[in-house]
Amino acid sequence: AQTVTQSQPEMSVQEAETVTLSCTYDTSESDYYLFWYKQPPSRQMILVIRQEAYKQQNATENRFSVNFQKAAKSFSLKISDSQLGDAAMYFCAYRSDYNNNDMRFGAGTRLTVKP
Amino acid sequence: NAGVTQTPKFQVLKTGQSMTLQCAQDMNHEYMSWYRQDPGMGLRLIHYSVGAGITDQGEVPNGYNVSRSTTEDFPLRLLSAAPSQTSVYFCASRQWLSSGNTIYFGEGSWLTVV
Repeated sequence: AQTVTQSQPEMSVQEAETVTLSCTYDTSESDYYLFWYKQPPSRQMILVIRQEAYKQQNATENRFSVNFQKAAKSFSLKISDSQLGDAAMYFCAYRSDYNNNDMRFGAGTRLTVKP
Repeated sequence: NAGVTQTPKFQVLKTGQSMTLQCAQDMNHEYMSWYRQDPGMGLRLIHYSVGAGITDQGEVPNGYNVSRSTTEDFPLRLLSAAPSQTSVYFCASRQWLSSGNTIYFGEGSWLTVV
């Protein structure tokens, strides 16, 4: 079964600075999707960004971008110009294109933004 | 624009009691699922459904039952609650035909079993 690992339980960043959250995954498949979800204190799961494995170009959504390294099975999230509202738990997730009924989540990284 | 709606948001149960967590979506999504979230862990799949009348088990199905009589609703039943089922539960839905489709989550249901 696929596994997703987030090796940073907690991260901290100064407001307006840049922070990178790490994610690695283990799979033998070639077609899959990767996601970053944000979970603020309200516990709502909010999609931040997604990446199709077949695309070489890294996904970008405003201040959020990813560094997708397929050979290394790495999928890091970069948050630029960090804002106080970015403080949350961030989850990396994997979904297979062959068995698309399940998503595998990492344990999460708690991001603190200091004013 | 309701999306995925879960009820109740908070519930305290005694060991051995039964209850149903309700989930409804108004996006005509074929796929619906239930996850649980425990401290220090990501979400884990309990059960899922790819359409009315079709359900299947996920990673952690023991102690839970589901049914899917309509496209809109996907209730999760705890037949005899145990303290190990204390968790936050999330219902989710998406279009099923394409595996790349975005999954939408409800706001979560906090369940405490004492």
